[in-house]
Amino acid sequence: NAGVMQNPRHLVRRRGQEARLRCSPMKGHSHVYWYRQLPEEGLKFMVYLQKENIIDESGMPKERFSAEFPKEGPSILRIQQVVRGDSAAYFCASSRQGADGYTFGSGTRLTVV
Amino acid sequence: DQQVKQNSPSLSVQEGRISILNCDYTNSMFDYFLWYKKYPAEGPTFLISISSIKDKNEDGRFTVFLNKSAKHLSLHIVPSQPGDSAVYFCAASQGPNFGNEKLTFGTGTRLTIIP
Repeated sequence: NAGVMQNPRHLVRRRGQEARLRCSPMKGHSHVYWYRQLPEEGLKFMVYLQKENIIDESGMPKERFSAEFPKEGPSILRIQQVVRGDSAAYFCASSRQGADGYTFGSGTRLTVV
Repeated sequence: DQQVKQNSPSLSVQEGRISILNCDYTNSMFDYFLWYKKYPAEGPTFLISISSIKDKNEDGRFTVFLNKSAKHLSLHIVPSQPGDSAVYFCAASQGPNFGNEKLTFGTGTRLTIIP
């Protein structure tokens, strides 16, 4: 039973490029969450999705960031026109209804050069 | 506005002794609290949780205490083991789904267990 799979583990992008981060939830999990961790800080909530629905996007920056969780396939966090301040670790987590806490993936470390 | 605070960035404890990690929160609407453990280059791992209707929850070596009036919770690890060395995050949520909503995290405490 594989855990939450995130890829790539490391991603380097030049300023202005697009970054696509993928997350495959655990089998049987229908809830996906994205968090961002800046250096020396805690994790900050970005978005909570269920299949084909965004439930809570209160932590998403208003511009350049989008997320989806299609009926088939992984959840995608997309960052357009990346800037240096987007450099961070991005963690995805999944859960099933009624579960106690999330299961996190190992994260994608995005570096913008 | 840091709604969940872990004021000790680091803590060192002798192996076999008790480790006590503290967390304070400001939002009185939080009703569910969780502790996560994180090793370098890995995602956080869920450790233990507590609902606001309780003041204590125990799971093996880990016990979480909640003092609602003080808006304070603590994680006790006893006895501490070298494998407990990690960063510990306190998190809080509000809502009916037992932590399956937006979590607000503290900044973490790095625990080092000295052999």
